[in-house]
Amino acid sequence: GEDVEQSLFLSVREGDSSVINCTYTDSSSTYLYWYKQEPGAGLQLLTYIFSNMDMKQDQRLTVLLNKKDKHLSLRIADTQTGDSAIYFCAEKDSSYKLIFGSGTRLLVRP
Amino acid sequence: DTGVSQDPRHKITKRGQNVTFRCDPISEHNRLYWYRQTLGQGPEFLTYFQNEAQLEKSRLLSDRFSAERPKGSFSTLEIQRTEQGDSAMYLCASSLVGGGETQYFGPGTRLLVL
Repeated sequence: GEDVEQSLFLSVREGDSSVINCTYTDSSSTYLYWYKQEPGAGLQLLTYIFSNMDMKQDQRLTVLLNKKDKHLSLRIADTQTGDSAIYFCAEKDSSYKLIFGSGTRLLVRP
Repeated sequence: DTGVSQDPRHKITKRGQNVTFRCDPISEHNRLYWYRQTLGQGPEFLTYFQNEAQLEKSRLLSDRFSAERPKGSFSTLEIQRTEQGDSAMYLCASSLVGGGETQYFGPGTRLLVL
């Protein structure tokens, strides 16, 4: 079945770049998403990429997609303490529902 | 555009009681989704509606769960005879058909079953 895998934890120093990685299994996914969740809150859409793109940049965020390896990454430039949160990768399956990974907890150290 | 709203934000109930949650999607969004998120996990799909029609239900949605979207606007999710294993965050999302299908999430309802 469909599955999305993420590393559980990432710690970076403020001002450095963060790279969060994700692998997925459904090669028919048309869109892939990154969401951010702060403690006790819902999910905030950060960015998404269409499956026929290799890269998408949006201010401090860069998404890279390697469709051959089914690998997605999110790079956050100049990481700030306010970026500390859980980041979820998700793929949209053919019936429109999202399949999420377990999330990567990003800790930004001052 | 006020975003997706959910009510209540928190609910504590005793095992065996029934609970009902409400979701108001972004206006004009015709798809509405329910997900459940347990601690340390990503959200898992429960069900979704297109307008008032419930088009897909996950096997996670036992017969104690029922969802409705009677007029194609707000939706309710009812859990009957709650169990401790139902304790979770219940998230609602909405999207627009033909609008890239991007799902926007509400703040969630956190349920604790004692």
